[in-house]
Amino acid sequence: ETGVTQSPTHLIKTRGQQVTLRCSSQSGHNTVSWYQQALGQGPQFIFQYYREEENGRGNFPPRFSGLQFPNYSSELNVNALELDDSALYLCASSPTSGPDTQYFGPGTRLTVL
Amino acid sequence: KNEVEQSPQNLTAQEGEFITINCSYSVGISALHWLQQHPGGGIVSLFMLSSGKKKHGRLIATINIQEKHSSLHITASHPRDSAVYICAVSTDSGYSTLTFGKGTMLLVSP
Repeated sequence: ETGVTQSPTHLIKTRGQQVTLRCSSQSGHNTVSWYQQALGQGPQFIFQYYREEENGRGNFPPRFSGLQFPNYSSELNVNALELDDSALYLCASSPTSGPDTQYFGPGTRLTVL
Repeated sequence: KNEVEQSPQNLTAQEGEFITINCSYSVGISALHWLQQHPGGGIVSLFMLSSGKKKHGRLIATINIQEKHSSLHITASHPRDSAVYICAVSTDSGYSTLTFGKGTMLLVSP
């Protein structure tokens, strides 16, 4: 059974650019959540996708957007990057959209210069 | 005020010591999670509980729903237990997501 994978591992961008981060969920999981973790902080919920539809969203602006594909893999897109977007971006998959154990990927470290 | 508060923020211990990390929350929850994060970022789910107590190896998690409080205990601590331990809650928001505490950084010395 393959775990949750994310790509790329690290990424450096400049202000104003756009970035796409990718997540492959664990086999059999139909729900993917994305989190942003700033240095020294706990992760903050960005949004969740369930069966290709956005199922919930945290307090993030519209320039944070996402997709979920039929195979339940997912993308996080961030437009017009700002310095404060520098963080570790984590995705987590779960077998249901309910209160279930979430399985985390290793994260993508994004640095915005 | 954060919805999920952890204490202490930092904890140092000698190998073999009994360790307790506390978590308090202020919202209605459907479940509470304890997670472990090692340097480099990977997060591993340790426990999900909605009542009582769970045990896995040297780790024990308890929750008191009335007091909105949970504890994570590590018995016979070992240097490999050094990590950040994070408490998170699943709230009754119609879908499940996690609201995290800031984490407790644990360092266990030999």
